[in-house]
Amino acid sequence: QQQVKQSPQSLIVQKGGIPIINCAYENTAFDYFPWYQQFPGKGPALLIAIRPDVSEKKEGRFTISFNKSAKQFSLHIMDSQPGDSATYFCAATPAERGGADGLTFGKGTHLIIQP
Amino acid sequence: DVKVTQSSRYLVKRTGEKVFLECVQDMDHENMFWYRQDPGLGLRLIYFSYDVKMKEKGDIPEGYSVSREKKERFSLILESASTNQTSMYLCASSRSRTGRGETQYFGPGTRLLVL
Repeated sequence: QQQVKQSPQSLIVQKGGIPIINCAYENTAFDYFPWYQQFPGKGPALLIAIRPDVSEKKEGRFTISFNKSAKQFSLHIMDSQPGDSATYFCAATPAERGGADGLTFGKGTHLIIQP
Repeated sequence: DVKVTQSSRYLVKRTGEKVFLECVQDMDHENMFWYRQDPGLGLRLIYFSYDVKMKEKGDIPEGYSVSREKKERFSLILESASTNQTSMYLCASSRSRTGRGETQYFGPGTRLLVL
């Protein structure tokens, strides 16, 4: 049972465009939703995270939008650059154990930003 | 900076061999995790540990075991390697089990090929 569904699987956007990656979850116990960015040959690294008490969080060019009633959240990348080309994973976990639980990841989105 | 190191970047093993994957973190983190990453499947949690000698099963523990004898070191053991365990293995750590929503820091991964 896949608890976090991520789409699209791959995405090609022109430089300066706004790629949007969507995730949906089923487990209502989830209350911490991070996004990880992974470059080839590297481990994933935290990009931005949100808790469901806010509907949007922005850090630099990266924005998470969160819809608690729909159990959906999405990542927007403003003014995308070729250096943003990477694989992006959404994830979720119940936060009450302070991160002692592992993350449940989406299947990932391979993003290419064309110059 | 948090550093998570994994003992090998690449390993080639034979079916039936016992395989040890080692992970060390240098930031006194309480929680440690093992994931495997496969194309189109994202990252899946194998085992995690929130304290020395403590371990909990993740989503796909079958065929694996773990050991955490020291706080900084978390080992993944394939008792009898099989070809379907060919994968990228990622270790991660996070600071505390009492905080709310903790960042996981990943190592660079070990790519294991079982022949």
